[in-house]
Amino acid sequence: GEDVEQSLFLSVREGDSSVINCTYTDSSSTYLYWYKQEPGAGLQLLTYIFSNMDMKQDQRLTVLLNKKDKHLSLRIADTQTGDSAIYFCAEKKAAGNKLTFGGGTRVLVKP
Amino acid sequence: NAGVTQTPKFRILKIGQSMTLQCTQDMNHNYMYWYRQDPGMGLKLIYYSVGAGITDKGEVPNGYNVSRSTTEDFPLRLELAAPSQTSVYFCASSLDGYSGNTIYFGEGSWLTVV
Repeated sequence: GEDVEQSLFLSVREGDSSVINCTYTDSSSTYLYWYKQEPGAGLQLLTYIFSNMDMKQDQRLTVLLNKKDKHLSLRIADTQTGDSAIYFCAEKKAAGNKLTFGGGTRVLVKP
Repeated sequence: NAGVTQTPKFRILKIGQSMTLQCTQDMNHNYMYWYRQDPGMGLKLIYYSVGAGITDKGEVPNGYNVSRSTTEDFPLRLELAAPSQTSVYFCASSLDGYSGNTIYFGEGSWLTVV
């Protein structure tokens, strides 16, 4: 299977919380990232977490890392229509600075 | 700072034509990367460079060439365009290979080969 996997699609109502999940296979990953891509645009780094952490909060964003299960999630509180985008998780391995990306989760926020 | 700048933003090529995607960064970053993104897929690394004069292959280098004559510029060359190279191309840069955080991306170049 792929190194980094994500579900393809998530639909959420405005004001609710969104949770986007990601699994990875490489236990030597040092950093894990969440990027946001809006239509016709490049990737914007949202947040990242170091592999020795299990949680990181940044305003409306909460990242949870379960290193034992190699599972990463991104929770967006009070989801807004501007949060509609594709969200990519990515891992950086211990060697080098290359990122391995998941296929992206398309989040659709309904009013 | 402008960050990472790519040109052109859109291009249509005929099969067999050649072209160069330009990428420049003004952050004095040592590392630069070229990724491609196919519909519904994550980004795949084509080539990367850890400094001027040094380049290396990524996951999907076939059909592409790169050069890094300066710290700022990292052009990607397609020699004989094929329909399989229809994709969105992203250039990126980072300060070094050890920092935990930001890899900065350009806005993308949409390439169609017909």
